[in-house]
Amino acid sequence: EAGVAQSPRYKIIEKRQSVAFWCNPISGHATLYWYQQILGQGPKLLIQFQNNGVVDDSQLPKDRFSAERLKGVDSTLKIQPAKLEDSAVYLCASSPNTDDEQFFGPGTRLTVL
Amino acid sequence: AQRVTQPEKLLSVFKGAPVELKCNYSYSGSPELFWYVQYSRQRLQLLLRHISRESIKGFTADLNKGETSFHLKKPFAQEEDSAMYYCALKGFQKLVFGTGTRLLVSP
Repeated sequence: EAGVAQSPRYKIIEKRQSVAFWCNPISGHATLYWYQQILGQGPKLLIQFQNNGVVDDSQLPKDRFSAERLKGVDSTLKIQPAKLEDSAVYLCASSPNTDDEQFFGPGTRLTVL
Repeated sequence: AQRVTQPEKLLSVFKGAPVELKCNYSYSGSPELFWYVQYSRQRLQLLLRHISRESIKGFTADLNKGETSFHLKKPFAQEEDSAMYYCALKGFQKLVFGTGTRLLVSP
């Protein structure tokens, strides 16, 4: 079975620019997660979707970050405008449902200059 | 609040030596604990969870509620065990990760 797909794999932008990341979860997985992993730290949950509804976005910096999963399948995460401290790997994960094992994508490495 | 602490950034051992990766947690409820592993150039993946009480690739982990610990152990390390290991706690339906320990197994 195909795993979680993410694109792009790498992105370099200047501060105050905008950027978007895309995630395609494993087919049939209802739950989708976006994590931010800053160098030297563990992944931190930004937002969790159940189908196309938001379950938890308590750690999403909503003044600059937004995410959507309009049809309950693919998802996009956007940062506008980016700050230097947003440099990190952004991981997407999916699971059949909330209590099931999460499967991670390869991540998108963002560098903000 | 839920928190996971992995005190060692790096653990370096020789092949055949025992390994113990430390994990302590803080959580007011009844936690679910996990170990995730990331091998070089591979994705983060689940290694084991405490509720399954199974051994995966020779690794075991026991939840000690009295000491609030979930240390990962293997009696004889192999070179292919070299990887980044993350302890994680699931509480309030959210997975919280520790900062990770890099295990380096030398021949």
